[in-house]
Amino acid sequence: AQKVTQAQTEISVVEKEDVTLDCVYETRDTTYYLFWYKQPPSGELVFLIRRNSFDEQNEISGRYSWNFQKSTSSFNFTITASQVVDSAVYFCALLQGGGGSNYKLTFGKGTLLTVNP
Amino acid sequence: SAVISQKPSRDICQRGTSLTIQCQVDSQVTMMFWYRQQPGQSLTLIATANQGSEATYESGFVIDKFPISRPNLTFSTLTVSNMSPEDSSIYLCSVEVQVAYNEQFFGPGTRLTVL
Repeated sequence: AQKVTQAQTEISVVEKEDVTLDCVYETRDTTYYLFWYKQPPSGELVFLIRRNSFDEQNEISGRYSWNFQKSTSSFNFTITASQVVDSAVYFCALLQGGGGSNYKLTFGKGTLLTVNP
Repeated sequence: SAVISQKPSRDICQRGTSLTIQCQVDSQVTMMFWYRQQPGQSLTLIATANQGSEATYESGFVIDKFPISRPNLTFSTLTVSNMSPEDSSIYLCSVEVQVAYNEQFFGPGTRLTVL
């Protein structure tokens, strides 16, 4: 069985602070995919990044960066110089690579990030 | 990516009634999924809907309660039957756009409140 743990239920920061959202996963598959989604108060789920299990290279996109470490089964997400518009619930998710009936996206419980002005 | 729309965006329903939620995609996709997000909770997969075959339901979800249709490659419906207040949730449709990239995109969701 696969599992995603986001230990931080809520985080509150002041604007311009850096913040890291933690994600730890469990899977027996050797091929899998990790995702981060953002859910603002409007409720829509916004895709942020996908990373496959064979690519441990860290990625940076503007103020966002992701650190994937297979040795610790972690896929952490850092927002640099946070802004009020970053306030949202962030979900980490794991997709098995088996395809067919094994195609299932498992979500963590989410982390509510509040960025205060 | 794909543009996904859902109807209705929100609804308030009476206990015992049923609601059908529509999901429309702007391109043909093989795999469509329905998720439920209860208040303050994470997303839980209800079922996978593939065109030309019956939906595959996850543990805890049954066809009688959540019948799904998938008449073509751009459209699906989810019905929430015989509703109770516990069904109050956001229901989200998602699609896998490119099989090779395993990217899954979500619709805007349908906010359902059952009184």
